[in-house]
Amino acid sequence: QVQLQESGPGLVKPSQTLSLTCTVSGGSISSGGYYWSWIRQHPGKGLEWIGYIYYSGSTYYNPSLKSRVTISVDTSKNQFSLKLSSVTAADTAVYYCARTGAGYSYPDYWGQGTLVTVSS
Amino acid sequence: AIRMTQSPSSFSASTGDRVTITCRASQGISSYLAWYQQKPGKAPKLLIYAASTLQSGVPSRFSGSGSGTDFTLTISCLQSEDFATYYCQQYYSHQTFGQGTKVEIK
Repeated sequence: QVQLQESGPGLVKPSQTLSLTCTVSGGSISSGGYYWSWIRQHPGKGLEWIGYIYYSGSTYYNPSLKSRVTISVDTSKNQFSLKLSSVTAADTAVYYCARTGAGYSYPDYWGQGTLVTVSS
Repeated sequence: AIRMTQSPSSFSASTGDRVTITCRASQGISSYLAWYQQKPGKAPKLLIYAASTLQSGVPSRFSGSGSGTDFTLTISCLQSEDFATYYCQQYYSHQTFGQGTKVEIK
């Protein structure tokens, strides 16, 4: 059973860079066949796809966030990471990491989510 | 970007009711649609993919239908544990979620 766990600071100052890591257990990122995703949910609101990465390093980003987002992968640690630059209060959200099948596919396993608050 | 619109945004129902939630895509997405259930403080749970395929372990009272632009999620006999928020998601072109439908106890 694949498990994902987000980690990182819960508080980030405006204009700084939000950094989160997702650790995967129960499966290897480098085995291929899956994209590794970041999705966020603003408080009391719906879900927003941020982007995903393949084990090879290929990335796909939401066009609305593309200029500020970087997703990277560390197969040696079985982790992938999110960096979101120049954050504002509008980036306050619960951030989820998830596994998505390659090709036309959907997130099937999700982390529990971590709340990141942007505030001075 | 493909927009997903769910209706209604929320409604009240009773245990045992048959309920239907609708999701409409702004352009055709074939059957590349998933449904999720989310309870407060929890991550979304995958219920249905490919518009109508039940995820393993999901009760058979859940069903999905549709293709192209119009889709539905039906719960045939609402149980107490089904009171939650439901989201549709298209994965035809990257991923976009609907705004959610909250099912509340009447």
